[in-house]
Amino acid sequence: NAGVTQTPKFRVLKTGQSMTLLCAQDMNHEYMYWYRQDPGMGLRLIHYSVGEGTTAKGEVPDGYNVSRLKKQNFLLGLESAAPSQTSVYFCASSPPGELFFGEGSRLTVL
Amino acid sequence: SQKIEQNSEALNIQEGKTATLTCNYTNYSPAYLQWYRQDPGRGPVFLLLIRENEKEKRKERLKVTFDTTLKQSLFHITASQPADSATYLCALDHTGGFKTIFGAGTRLFVKA
Repeated sequence: NAGVTQTPKFRVLKTGQSMTLLCAQDMNHEYMYWYRQDPGMGLRLIHYSVGEGTTAKGEVPDGYNVSRLKKQNFLLGLESAAPSQTSVYFCASSPPGELFFGEGSRLTVL
Repeated sequence: SQKIEQNSEALNIQEGKTATLTCNYTNYSPAYLQWYRQDPGRGPVFLLLIRENEKEKRKERLKVTFDTTLKQSLFHITASQPADSATYLCALDHTGGFKTIFGAGTRLFVKA
């Protein structure tokens, strides 16, 4: 049972490049989330989804897009990466209630 | 504005003592509050959830209290061990449970 799997684990981008982070969960959870974590600022919610085909904005959605075409997958996209998006990104899923996190994706934008 | 505040200073305690971490919030009315543990380079791991109608909850050496009047939760680790050293995050639901918002966390160091 893999739980929540994030790919890739590490990525370096140049300013203006685009990329997609993939999150997959095998627990049949309804809710999925994308957070970013920066030193001293804790986890900040970017976007979330309460079910297949639905998405909503969190605390810091600007510069990101998401899609939830399948219940088990939640994609986070950066259309034009900026240095301010250098961070560790965590995906989580929830029944709802308790959150199950992936191991994180470390993104550096040069 | 809405805030979740945890002590940003690290907490240093001696092995065997009780560690107490604080989580305060303003302008939220959460239905439940959660505590997570995060080790360096890893994702957070769920520890405990306490609902608004519960005053206290225990799990092994862990105890959480929830005071909705004070808008505060206390997280206790009794008989602490060096393996308890980690960052502990407080989280609460917002907007009926659809969004879970986190505090910045408190780093705990337990010395042998």
